[in-house]
Amino acid sequence: AQKVTQAQTEISVVEKEDVTLDCVYETRDTTYYLFWYKQPPSGELVFLIRRNSFDEQNEISGRYSWNFQKSTSSFNFTITASQVVDSAVYFCALSTGRSGGGADGLTFGKGTHLIIQP
Amino acid sequence: ETGVTQTPRHLVMGMTNKKSLKCEQHLGHNAMYWYKQSAKKPLELMFVYNFKEQTENNSVPSRFSPECPNSSHLFLHLHTLQPEDSALYLCASSQAQHATYEQYFGPGTRLTVT
Repeated sequence: AQKVTQAQTEISVVEKEDVTLDCVYETRDTTYYLFWYKQPPSGELVFLIRRNSFDEQNEISGRYSWNFQKSTSSFNFTITASQVVDSAVYFCALSTGRSGGGADGLTFGKGTHLIIQP
Repeated sequence: ETGVTQTPRHLVMGMTNKKSLKCEQHLGHNAMYWYKQSAKKPLELMFVYNFKEQTENNSVPSRFSPECPNSSHLFLHLHTLQPEDSALYLCASSQAQHATYEQYFGPGTRLTVT
């Protein structure tokens, strides 16, 4: 069985502060994929990033950065210089590829509600 | 057209009603998914369709019946629901055939069962 844990239920920071959202995953598969999604109040999940288990390079995209560490089974997400528009629920998710391929669903964490105060 | 659309956006139904949720994707994808998001649980995968064939049913009660007539359309038929079925139902699509492909989500249907 696979599992994703986002221990931080809610985080509130003041605008321009840096904030890190934690994600810890469990899987027995050696090949897997990790994702982050953003869910603003409108409800639609917005894809942010995908990382496969063979690529431990950290990634930076503008104010967003991701730290993938297999040794600790973590895939943390940092927002630098946060803005009010970053307020949303952020989900970490895991997917494992089946042998021979096939469409797979995502296993989601419970999400972290991020509040950026002006 | 936006990538994945869902109708209706809001639905209130009684326990004896029959209704259907509709999802349409304009991304040329081959896999489509139904997820349930309720207040007390993480997002739960319900059904997966790959090239119109159902490949996964995540132990969903038979009062939820999916239908995928083609790779662009996905329906969720609802009948004799319970109040605990009230939730946000999200549709998603992906290129399919491998978990490496990210899923794109619609805005969801907020369902209230009275």
